[in-house]
Amino acid sequence: AQSVSQHNHHVILSEAASLELGCNYSYGGTVNLFWYVQYPGQHLQLLLKYFSGDPLVKGIKGFEAEFIKSKFSFNLRKPSVQWSDTAEYFCAVNAPGNMLTFGGGTRLMVKP
Amino acid sequence: DSGVTQTPKHLITATGQRVTLRCSPRSGDLSVYWYQQSLDQGLQFLIHYYNGEERAKGNILERFSAQQFPDLHSELNLSSLELGDSALYFCASSDGPTSTDTQYFGPGTRLTVL
Repeated sequence: AQSVSQHNHHVILSEAASLELGCNYSYGGTVNLFWYVQYPGQHLQLLLKYFSGDPLVKGIKGFEAEFIKSKFSFNLRKPSVQWSDTAEYFCAVNAPGNMLTFGGGTRLMVKP
Repeated sequence: DSGVTQTPKHLITATGQRVTLRCSPRSGDLSVYWYQQSLDQGLQFLIHYYNGEERAKGNILERFSAQQFPDLHSELNLSSLELGDSALYFCASSDGPTSTDTQYFGPGTRLTVL
């Protein structure tokens, strides 16, 4: 069965700092990878996704993620965070025939 | 706005009761997924319907059931409610029949069981 780990449960940054959130998955075959964001009081929104091709994926709001197959990782990055990036971030993975599995989430707080 | 709507936004009820949560998918989407988000369990997949038929079940309790109607809206029925059922219930929709299709989430229904 596939699983997803997000090792950072809480991250606090100052505005303009760089962000990297870790995501590791366990599954031996082909996977699709997603990052979702949940702003306070709002629903999950898709930030970016990786299905195939260029392992560096660019998403909305300046976010990007890099798929490193050898490390089973799909880390999310942003060069300079803003206060409005305060939210919870979820990594998710699914493989053909399997359901979308979410990591435990990382709560990001950006201090103005 | 994802185009997925859920009603009601909030629901407060007592233990032992039964409630129905409703979800309308994005226009054109045939798949509806239900998820439960709680503090201790995180975001967990419950069930998936495609064009009226159940496709997959996840960690859904026997006290819970769902269906998708001909107009493609879906309902999640929760019965014999317990305190631990208090959670945020999301539905998501996608256009295709497989879970590899990108899912778009609704705003959720926050259920509080007292």
